[in-house]
Amino acid sequence: QSVLTQPPSVSGAPGQRVTISCTGSSSNIGADYDVHWYQQVPGSAPKLLIYVNNNRPSGVPDRFSGSKSGTSASLAITGLQAEDEADYYCQSYDDRLSGSVFGGGTKLTVL
Amino acid sequence: QVQLVQSGDEVKKPGSSVKVSCKSSGGTFSSDTITWVRQAPGQGLEWMGRITPILGSAKKAQKFQGRVTLTADDSTRTAYMELNSLRSEDTAVYWCAREVGGDPNWFDPWGQGTRVTVSS
Repeated sequence: QSVLTQPPSVSGAPGQRVTISCTGSSSNIGADYDVHWYQQVPGSAPKLLIYVNNNRPSGVPDRFSGSKSGTSASLAITGLQAEDEADYYCQSYDDRLSGSVFGGGTKLTVL
Repeated sequence: QVQLVQSGDEVKKPGSSVKVSCKSSGGTFSSDTITWVRQAPGQGLEWMGRITPILGSAKKAQKFQGRVTLTADDSTRTAYMELNSLRSEDTAVYWCAREVGGDPNWFDPWGQGTRVTVSS
């Protein structure tokens, strides 16, 4: 049971827009901690996708964007491409656990 | 450019221990913070703990208190994660990653991963 809740799966056709939610509580996202996002292709290490809520590392296309409000955060992907098919994880900090926490992960399928 | 290279895959018996290494190149290492994350088969990511060599202190996730030891050797720029009293549920891929400043820190880059299989 992850402290941060993500939908198990989302899907979209090429070119479409999808969003992935990450819902927390007052002890993590709601406590004003930053949210970061990772993309993981099966069999590979996670890769940083978004840091500090809405910042893209160099090399990440601007089709990826993040937002945060209240106790939740979201990752949006526009202009879906086949190569976006992967698992996506949000990460933040939890006061009660006194440590970093991940969401359960969301599998994105490009139809 | 920081790069992290981990030790090879391991097969262990239940009740034994495993020690995974993570060698850093580039960056300053001693003032970096190295974090450890694991992923059981078909499961999500799980944060295990972190160590900052220059501080000589480690912070472990509550779940792993008493069972995991995090150390670092500044002379070889290598961080270590030792997990003892292994059980089948510890079968997972273990990653090290560098933490980068934020509130909380984010993890970038990651090592290539070390697969640990616990089986009798």
